Amino acid sequence: DVKVTQSSRYLVKRTGEKVFLECVQDMDHENMFWYRQDPGLGLRLIYFSYDVKMKEKGDIPEGYSVSREKKERFSLILESASTNQTSMYLCATLPGPNYGYTFGSGTRLTVV
Amino acid sequence: GNSVTQMEGPVTLSEEAFLTINCTYTATGYPSLFWYVQYPGEGLQLLLKATKADDKGSNKGFEATYRKETTSFHLEKGSVQVSDSAVYFCALIMMFSGGYNKLIFGAGTRLAVHP
Repeated sequence: DVKVTQSSRYLVKRTGEKVFLECVQDMDHENMFWYRQDPGLGLRLIYFSYDVKMKEKGDIPEGYSVSREKKERFSLILESASTNQTSMYLCATLPGPNYGYTFGSGTRLTVV
Repeated sequence: GNSVTQMEGPVTLSEEAFLTINCTYTATGYPSLFWYVQYPGEGLQLLLKATKADDKGSNKGFEATYRKETTSFHLEKGSVQVSDSAVYFCALIMMFSGGYNKLIFGAGTRLAVHP
């Protein structure tokens, strides 16, 4: 089974801090994604990557950046955390069009 | 554009009741379709999928049939359990000309099953 590991389940950070959320997969999948999930707003795509060093903006990229230096690792960066970035963050991989995403367990980030 | 519409929740049922969660989609072509489940405090897990018209996906007693004539992929289970309480997401795959793909999700439907 594919394993997608997010480095932290719960994280508390202060306003203005630079925050790194890490996601590692063990199956050599090219496509990786970062979503945030908020009550009443569903899943919203922040950034995705379809190859090493490639990145594409999703629907809500403002205030975020990403890094993909190696195929297995896709990092989400909050340049200067704000309270409106308090959310559940979900990482996912996709092996191909007939397969679904495999999600990590999620990181619940609280910015105070 | 491509989109997925799910019935609004919450859906509240008694144990052993029959479950239907409606899902319809708008898409060009015939994309693969998926149902995901999210238990409290966890990430999403793939529940079942169908890759072409008339396919039936099934898992853990849940079923969904890919109906291209009605552009639907309704989730059903004959007898729900308390442990099925979760949020269910319908999704389709969207393909881009650049050679990459991503999923389009519905808003999610919360199911609460009580004893």
